[in-house]
Amino acid sequence: DVVLTQSPLSLPVTLGQPASISCRSSQSLVYTDGNTYLNWFQQRPGQSPRRLIYKVSNRDSGVPDRFSGSGSGTDFTLKISRVEAEDIGVYYCMQGTHWPPGVYTFGQGTKLEIK
Amino acid sequence: EVQLLESGGGLVQPGGSLRLSCAASGFTFSSYAMNWVRQAPGRGLEWVAGIGGIGGSRNYADSVKGRFTISRDNSKNTVELQMNSLRVEDTAVYYCAKDYDIVTAYYGMDVWGQGTTVTVSS
Repeated sequence: DVVLTQSPLSLPVTLGQPASISCRSSQSLVYTDGNTYLNWFQQRPGQSPRRLIYKVSNRDSGVPDRFSGSGSGTDFTLKISRVEAEDIGVYYCMQGTHWPPGVYTFGQGTKLEIK
Repeated sequence: EVQLLESGGGLVQPGGSLRLSCAASGFTFSSYAMNWVRQAPGRGLEWVAGIGGIGGSRNYADSVKGRFTISRDNSKNTVELQMNSLRVEDTAVYYCAKDYDIVTAYYGMDVWGQGTTVTVSS
């Protein structure tokens, strides 16, 4: 089964500064159609999750352009160019390439907090 | 406005059963797969089950296979999760989530409900 490993698990940041979260997969996430189905989610405190990025680097509607996704194969990164207070929460990567067993696999989550 | 509203959570004893329901509105329900994702207290997200838009394809996490059943009624715009043989470790907030595509795969969930809490305890 594919395993997604995020780092760091906790990320203290200063408002206005950049932040970067890594997601590494135990297997390549390139699907047979040539696409890479690695997605990123944000969960603010007390709220439901929200998808930010799909297929590595495509931002969802309404997601600020300070969020960007990159990577290929097994190594992926979510970057926030300048952290704002509303960005505080937990970030999860999730793969939709390898199935079965199951369909979607999440990383452990990275907690972004103010330094 | 696209909305998902879960119901049916509660307290149940180990070995018991519970049926969760999710009412969808604001989109063409039958054109999208639907998922259930759970989050145990203080823990991360775990995908539980998914069902294709037409309802023929169902997938489950290994942790619930054989105990949980996902179903949908496209005439009522609802998706349900029947949970049997519940265990203490099934305690979690259960989210209903719309998939990006008609099949449960690839892109993940682009709309989430507010969640319903299931507590399995004696």
